[in-house]
Amino acid sequence: SQQGEEDPQALSIQEGENATMNCSYKTSINNLQWYRQNSGRGLVHLILIRSNEREKHSGRLRVTLDTSKKSSSLLITASRAADTASYFCATDSTSGTYKYIFGTGTRLKVLA
Amino acid sequence: ETGVTQTPRHLVMGMTNKKSLKCEQHLGHNAMYWYKQSAKKPLELMFVYNFKEQTENNSVPSRFSPECPNSSHLFLHLHTLQPEDSALYLCASSQDYGPLSYEQYFGPGTRLTVT
Repeated sequence: SQQGEEDPQALSIQEGENATMNCSYKTSINNLQWYRQNSGRGLVHLILIRSNEREKHSGRLRVTLDTSKKSSSLLITASRAADTASYFCATDSTSGTYKYIFGTGTRLKVLA
Repeated sequence: ETGVTQTPRHLVMGMTNKKSLKCEQHLGHNAMYWYKQSAKKPLELMFVYNFKEQTENNSVPSRFSPECPNSSHLFLHLHTLQPEDSALYLCASSQDYGPLSYEQYFGPGTRLTVT
């Protein structure tokens, strides 16, 4: 089964509100990354968080990682219509391969 | 833009055709990837090349044949495809492929339709 699963699958909020997306995974990881994808386009890297880190910030983005619960969250503060996109978490594994496994994503819609 | 380009952006091909997808990265990266993105499915890693050598083949059918002539270019040769191969094919690159886990830079993708 897939490594990362995002929750919720879809989220609709008003501009200015905060958006929180969650990612759960099954096996131990070294790193977790979040990506954004606008409709029908390639993915854009947002943040990489390592297993020994608990929180990272980048502009309006805040990512947390709880390795004991095997989960991560992405918070977008003061959302804008331009934040409308799908958001994916990607996890590697401590099993010796370096590939990342992506989840199915959360589709975020920010209403103006 | 991300520094990774893909051509063509859209491709319609019959099941008996042979076509190729092209990816080029202008970032000086050593690793390149092919992914398949189908509707309502997770992004699927197909192949990884590091320093022109294939390091991952994720049990991809032989009707998909990758080629990496140098660290900047990656091709995906397609032949005798099936309708279920219709998807968005994404190319990506990263500084390296290894334990330090570098971020990946994605191209815009090729939307493939197999008729």
